[in-house]
Amino acid sequence: GAVVSQHPSWVICKSGTSVKIECRSLDFQATTMFWYRQFPKQSLMLMATSNEGSKATYEQGVEKDKFLINHASLTLSTLTVTSAHPEDSSFYICSASGGAVNEQFFGPGTRLTVL
Amino acid sequence: GDSVTQMEGPVTLSEEAFLTINCTYTATGYPSLFWYVQYPGEGLQLLLKATKADDKGSNKGFEATYRKETTSFHLEKGSVQVSDSAVYFCALSEGSNSGYALNFGKGTSLLVTP
Repeated sequence: GAVVSQHPSWVICKSGTSVKIECRSLDFQATTMFWYRQFPKQSLMLMATSNEGSKATYEQGVEKDKFLINHASLTLSTLTVTSAHPEDSSFYICSASGGAVNEQFFGPGTRLTVL
Repeated sequence: GDSVTQMEGPVTLSEEAFLTINCTYTATGYPSLFWYVQYPGEGLQLLLKATKADDKGSNKGFEATYRKETTSFHLEKGSVQVSDSAVYFCALSEGSNSGYALNFGKGTSLLVTP
């Protein structure tokens, strides 16, 4: 199947700093990318949907000024957590779909820890 | 809104035992239903799916049937292996193509012992 990568796989940062997470589709063009957040022993919660070249659509309760999403190309979407705080510590997962690929492919996730 | 409820884990089984992981859903329309599996250290992978009532999804010995009358999509396997140890997520989407976001259950951890 298609491959989606995320970078970094884990990151530790200080409170108040910003962190950027990259999501790449390695062998297909992803017209749509999704960002999810997963708390321990909880479900994946959709944060936002991004279509290449347009603004992301955020789910209710997700602050778009805090979680900046950019989907500038068909193979790359980024999630920037701005002014991170300890409550932002979580596991962030992206998925991608597009073109002839009628399936969402998931990245391995990024573990963010804010001290 | 739409939601998915799946049985709490962890589930521990001996090799070759029969597996059932229950999943029920609530939806206003006619969702597509999925089972995803997450092996340790890896991303979620689609295990099987069904896009309409009475459809049966199957893969790697796993099966699930879309039951509209009971709003269920239970995952079954007749004989589990140690390599099936993973976390299993039931999910739904409003549409049948991949452009729709997924609504996940909380996941069920399965441990298969030799």
